[in-house]
Amino acid sequence: KNEVEQSPQNLTAQEGEFITINCSYSVGISALHWLQQHPGGGIVSLFMLSSGKKKHGRLIATINIQEKHSSLHITASHPRDSAVYICAVASSGNQFYFGTGTSLTVIP
Amino acid sequence: DTGVSQNPRHKITKRGQNVTFRCDPISEHNRLYWYRQTLGQGPEFLTYFQNEAQLEKSRLLSDRFSAERPKGSFSTLEIQRTEQGDSAMYLCASSLLGRQGVGYTFGSGTRLTVV
Repeated sequence: KNEVEQSPQNLTAQEGEFITINCSYSVGISALHWLQQHPGGGIVSLFMLSSGKKKHGRLIATINIQEKHSSLHITASHPRDSAVYICAVASSGNQFYFGTGTSLTVIP
Repeated sequence: DTGVSQNPRHKITKRGQNVTFRCDPISEHNRLYWYRQTLGQGPEFLTYFQNEAQLEKSRLLSDRFSAERPKGSFSTLEIQRTEQGDSAMYLCASSLLGRQGVGYTFGSGTRLTVV
């Protein structure tokens, strides 16, 4: 069993839809990261969370430490949001564990 | 400082050859990480440094792999006697361990193809 599980693995949405990607983890963490990877392979860090909720533009990330669960929401999705979204957790020992990613395609 | 820089962006090599990749982290970051990502998978941890000290190595890092960070700044990852299974994206990231947690920045990666 992976330390980090993401769902769904693949997601197709119409432009404008509200999107949710879920992440569950099984280790004690110091922080959780949401990453965005574009087809060329470059990775961008979207959020780092240790509690609560963060918002950046149309992106919202939440974390529930007790339930060991985080969600990434995209409001008013756009084709340029098409990418792979990866959940990563920094364990209490500063080891990083990655989910396998959610491939999002937003259709115009 | 424009972020984490990795060179080369792409490398094609023949099986059995040695390759070396370089990572230049954000200058004030004290931690540097190497990851490998194969197609359709999330990144897998290989090793990380705090300053010049290599603190942890994954079991994925066979004897053919070696990483250095001699002055606590840039790092190199060398693969000796490459095999086709080494074909992957090699990602570097750096971070600054601080009171509020770990700020974490990825490089664009080096894509290795072993033919």
